Amino acid sequence: DAKTTQPPSMDCAEGRAANLPCNHSTISGNEYVYWYRQIHSQGPQYIIHGLKNNETNEMASLIITEDRKSSTLILPHATLRDTAVYYCIVRNTGTASKLTFGTGTRLQVTL
Amino acid sequence: DTGVSQDPRHKITKRGQNVTFRCDPISEHNRLYWYRQTLGQGPEFLTYFQNEAQLEKSRLLSDRFSAERPKGSFSTLEIQRTEQGDSAMYLCASSFGDLREKLFFGSGTQLSVL
Repeated sequence: DAKTTQPPSMDCAEGRAANLPCNHSTISGNEYVYWYRQIHSQGPQYIIHGLKNNETNEMASLIITEDRKSSTLILPHATLRDTAVYYCIVRNTGTASKLTFGTGTRLQVTL
Repeated sequence: DTGVSQDPRHKITKRGQNVTFRCDPISEHNRLYWYRQTLGQGPEFLTYFQNEAQLEKSRLLSDRFSAERPKGSFSTLEIQRTEQGDSAMYLCASSFGDLREKLFFGSGTQLSVL
């Protein structure tokens, strides 16, 4: 699976949009981009995933660049409960089943 | 749907003792995964099952570690002759098995080896 690069930490004011970037320059055509988050003392939680097109669900939006070498997770109105570590993962669903986590981005939402 | 359940939540043991953790996946999920997480790191894959078959094991899973899923439902992870380096959070996840599957994680078992 392709490696990802994320900033180690970010801050965001409550009520503002949080934009979390991820680079995956070695991604191949059959690899999806997944985002999970982990709130302190809990297991990771699925947020969203996509292949080529932008995706939106009740939690977030995922913007994938046209060349697919990077993506951005957008939390439109961050709240204090969104404070967590966010993991961007690239996964080849045609072969390996496991998710390979990096160290993620620690998002701190402040008042 | 009560989610993925792990027991115990915390385990303190002395070096050299054996420990066993249990994971109850979401009932209709046929895939079950074990991960380990140390402080400041992302979860590391250990092994996964499809139904009762163990299909992949990480090189992290030394011969002191064994996992089972005897009837394709709950799973156990046993660590024999624990070492201080085994101290970590052990996470279990399950999924339905679709190719674009989402994993659902439990809250983990925090192991401390003294």
